[in-house]
Order: sequence, then C-alpha cells, then structure tokens
Amino acid sequence: NAGVTQTPKFQVLKTGQSMTLQCAQDMNHEYMSWYRQDPGMGLRLIHYSVGAGITDQGEVPNGYNVSRSTTEDFPLRLLSAAPSQTSVYFCASSLRGFRGQGMSTLHFGNGTRLTVT
Amino acid sequence: GIQVEQSPPDLILQEGANSTLRCNFSDSVNNLQWFHQNPWGQLINLFYIPSGTKQNGRLSATTVATERYSLLYISSSQTTDSGVYFCAVPNNNAGNMLTFGGGTRLMVKP
Repeated sequence: NAGVTQTPKFQVLKTGQSMTLQCAQDMNHEYMSWYRQDPGMGLRLIHYSVGAGITDQGEVPNGYNVSRSTTEDFPLRLLSAAPSQTSVYFCASSLRGFRGQGMSTLHFGNGTRLTVT
Repeated sequence: GIQVEQSPPDLILQEGANSTLRCNFSDSVNNLQWFHQNPWGQLINLFYIPSGTKQNGRLSATTVATERYSLLYISSSQTTDSGVYFCAVPNNNAGNMLTFGGGTRLMVKP
C-alpha cells in the first residue's frame, strides 16, 4: 500500500492563479481531510469528507473548494491564490471518524509546500 | 470549538535527557492522539490515548480525561526524537475531526 499520496510536493503560484492539489489513498478509508500548517499555528482543518459525495467545511475553508467523487481521491482547489495561502498542505485519511470511543488513526500524506507570490 | 494548548512551545535537550510534554484541552474528550513530525515534515501517529497510560519503547503517554490533560514522556532522548510533537482531539464544531494543538518543537543535541 502506498498510503496517502499527495502531488505536487512543491508549487509556486502567482496571486490570482488557480491550481488543484491532488490527494489519493489506497486504504479504502471513508474519512479524508485537508489541513494547512503555518509556523506556530499547528495544523488547521480546511475541509473534510466522511465518504464519497459528502464534503464539509473545517476551521479555515475560505478560498478553497473540495469534491469527493470517489473513495480514493480528495482534491483541494484554490480558485484564486492569495499570498495568505502560502503554507504547507497535508491530506489525511482515516478508516472512520473520531466521535466516540474506538481507535481510528489519522494517516498523513507527505505534504505540499505552496508559495504564492 | 474545543481549545488545545501544548507546552512548552520549544524544548532543547541534551541526548540522554528525559522530558515531559503537556497537552491541555478545554472540553471532555474520548479520543486523544499524539503525533510526531520529523525534521523532513512527515507526520506519524505515536499514540491513541483517550485515557490511562500507554508505553512504546522510550515513549509513554498518559491522559487524565477528567482533568483535561495529557502528557507525553520521552526518556533517554536521542537525536532522532527531534521534531515537533502534536496532540489532537475531536472537535464537535468540525464534524468531530481532529483539532491540533500548536505543537512542541523539540531539539535533541548530541
């Protein structure tokens, strides 16, 4: 199993450009999510999905769109990049959610470092 | 939503020393996880520890859910322990997905 695969690893955009960050997992996980990591702020949830066809907003969703047409893929779209979106982006997946007891481990991809100039 | 605070924010240790990292959270939880981010940026799950104590080699974790905190112990630290340690708990304002603390950045010197 490859686990969670993110592409690209690095990207530089100009303000106003659009792009899609790709994320795929081969573990048949229902839950997928996108986080951004900024210095001193930990990881913040952007969007998440609890299954194919279902997405919802996290803590910092503005400026980003997602879709979940298959169980495996969960792309993150930046429609009009802004310098404030310069960050490291992590995609993650888990077999199920984290409500209630029962172990559900979050698996991360290796991240995409995005710079918007 | 739930607030998660970690302390200390930064920690420098000499190889072989022990350390304790703390995670405080503002509401009751039944799921808490610790992660390590290595210097190359990879995030690895260390512990699922909603309550009680678990040990994995030189690392152990204790969660006292009734008092809303968790501790991560690192004994006989090694340079490979360097990186950032995060705790995370479910956030009922975000579909009970995991909300992360700000992390503790650890540097272990040889």
